[in-house]
Amino acid sequence: AQSVTQPDIHITVSEGASLELRCNYSYGATPYLFWYVQSPGQGLQLLLKYFSGDTLVQGIKGFEAEFKRSQSSFNLRKPSVHWSDAAEYFCAVVYNYGQNFVFGPGTRLSVLP
Amino acid sequence: DADVTQTPRNRITKTGKRIMLECSQTKGHDRMYWYRQDPGLGLRLIYYSFDVKDINKGEISDGYSVSRQAQAKFSLSLESAIPNQTALYFCATSKEGSGRRNEQFFGPGTRLTVL
Repeated sequence: AQSVTQPDIHITVSEGASLELRCNYSYGATPYLFWYVQSPGQGLQLLLKYFSGDTLVQGIKGFEAEFKRSQSSFNLRKPSVHWSDAAEYFCAVVYNYGQNFVFGPGTRLSVLP
Repeated sequence: DADVTQTPRNRITKTGKRIMLECSQTKGHDRMYWYRQDPGLGLRLIYYSFDVKDINKGEISDGYSVSRQAQAKFSLSLESAIPNQTALYFCATSKEGSGRRNEQFFGPGTRLTVL
């Protein structure tokens, strides 16, 4: 069965430090990949997405993600974290010609001052 | 105004009660979805609808039903609520025709507590 894993349940970083959130997927064909962010009490907001082409994609709020087919990964990165980045982050994959999104379990990010 | 709205935002109810959660959208999208979010499990798909006459079960449809009253409205019902349906519920929409590229747009969520 298709699945999305986010190995880190909770990550804590200091403000100004770099960040990498991991995402791995299982799928036979080329996936379409998304990262969403959920701030406390809010819905999900799209950070970035990968469909094809350049494997390094830029998103909003200074985030970027790199698709690595050989590792079945789509890790999210940010060079310098801000306190406002504290939130929960979800990786998602689209399967079955757009009929189904599959979300990972999420990674909660805490930011120390 | 928000493109995807959900009502109510919070609801506390008792076991056995019937509950309806409503979702409305002004994005003009054909596709609508209901998810529930539980800590450590991410979002799981309950039902989805690709147009007014199309309703499909998702991963965890047992105990739930839906109604697509119009293109812009998609309601989720719990016929007889039970405590393990306590969760955060999200409605989402997407545009038809983009295949696997469909980005989903989410409402703010409804927090449901079943006592």
